[in-house]
Order: sequence, then C-alpha cells, then structure tokens
Amino acid sequence: RKEVEQDPGPFNVPEGATVAFNCTYSNSASQSFFWYRQDCRKEPKLLMSVYSSGNEDGRFTAQLNRASQYISLLIRDSKLSDSATYLCVVSTSGTYKYIFGTGTRLKVLA
Amino acid sequence: SQTIHQWPATLVQPVGSPLSLECTVEGTSNPNLYWYRQAAGRGLQLLFYSVGIGQISSEVPQNLSASRPQDRQFILSSKKLLLSDSGFYLCAWSFGPRGYTFGSGTRLTVV
Repeated sequence: RKEVEQDPGPFNVPEGATVAFNCTYSNSASQSFFWYRQDCRKEPKLLMSVYSSGNEDGRFTAQLNRASQYISLLIRDSKLSDSATYLCVVSTSGTYKYIFGTGTRLKVLA
Repeated sequence: SQTIHQWPATLVQPVGSPLSLECTVEGTSNPNLYWYRQAAGRGLQLLFYSVGIGQISSEVPQNLSASRPQDRQFILSSKKLLLSDSGFYLCAWSFGPRGYTFGSGTRLTVV
C-alpha cells in the first residue's frame, strides 16, 4: 500500500461547481498535512496546511479525519484558474521527510 | 524573505555525461534541504535530504549523489547519466513542520 494515495482523476467540472478531493495516508503517526497545487510543468506550491479542526481559506476548505486517516480538499465556486494538479502531502513527527501523493488533476471547464 | 534559486531551468545531456545541478537558499539559516525528481506523469520521488552541512541522507539507490558544501547550498551530481535519469528535478527547503518551498526546477532530458 502506498503511504499517500490519491485518485488521479481527471476531475472535469464546469465553472462554478463545487469539487472535493480525498487523500488517504497509511501511517497513523503522521502529524503534518498539506495540500499543494502544481501547474503544468511548474513546481508545486503550497496551497494550504490542514489543521485538526479543519480550516478554510477563501473558496478552499481542508479537513482532516485522523480516525479514518484521510484528508480532504473542497473547492467551491470553481474558476478556470483552479485547473491544476492537487498534491496531498503528509509528514510524520520526528522525521524531516514529506511524502507526496501522485496528485489529482482538476480541469475546470468554461 | 526567503528565496530559493535553482538552475539551470532546462538541460539536455547525452548518456554517459556528468551532471551538476545547484540550489541555493537565501534569507534563512540551517534549512533542511531536499532534492526530488518527478518523472513524466509520475509523482514526486524524494532523492536526498540534508539537515546540515555535510549531512546527506539518500532515499533511493541510484547513480546520483548529493553534497552540501555550505549551509545554504545543495548540489545534485552524477558521474554518468542514464536515460532513466530524465525528469523534472526540484530542490526544496523547509524549516520545521511548515511544508516545503520549492525552487523552479530543472527539466533534464538525457538523450
């Protein structure tokens, strides 16, 4: 089983739609969680950290479910500019390594 | 503010040639530094990480090596490139559990 798993997609959604991605992780000792965004042929960029109580940043909401070992990202009112690959990232306390999922590709259609 | 520089942006090298990619970080001290590779259509693979000068941890056996001669400099090298070394190489830094900041990457094609 992979340490971090994501549905590769693509998710094709119309503008204005709400879309959600899930990511599961295998190490129950994982402590830090992030969502990154990667545009085609560019470096990944931090979208948001994921906190235990859940957190929101504008149209983006991240949730953590420790019992089921998954994190989610909800995007409301999708924009064309949201088209990208979204990477789930997990880190375990006491290590220096961040484990990346292979990403979920989103296409927002006009 | 912290910035990370990585060069070159693109590189085409023949099989069997050497490689040297450099990454430098500004605006911070004693960062954790990382080299990742992303093959076409694949996820990010951690190659090396370093928590201090001269301290290198290798994650994947391969014909690549890394060095950290200065606190904010991280170098990825190979003596002889293979076709399978082609990919998008990304340097990143972190400071504590706050996620990574990536450089802009080097797209390497081995021909």
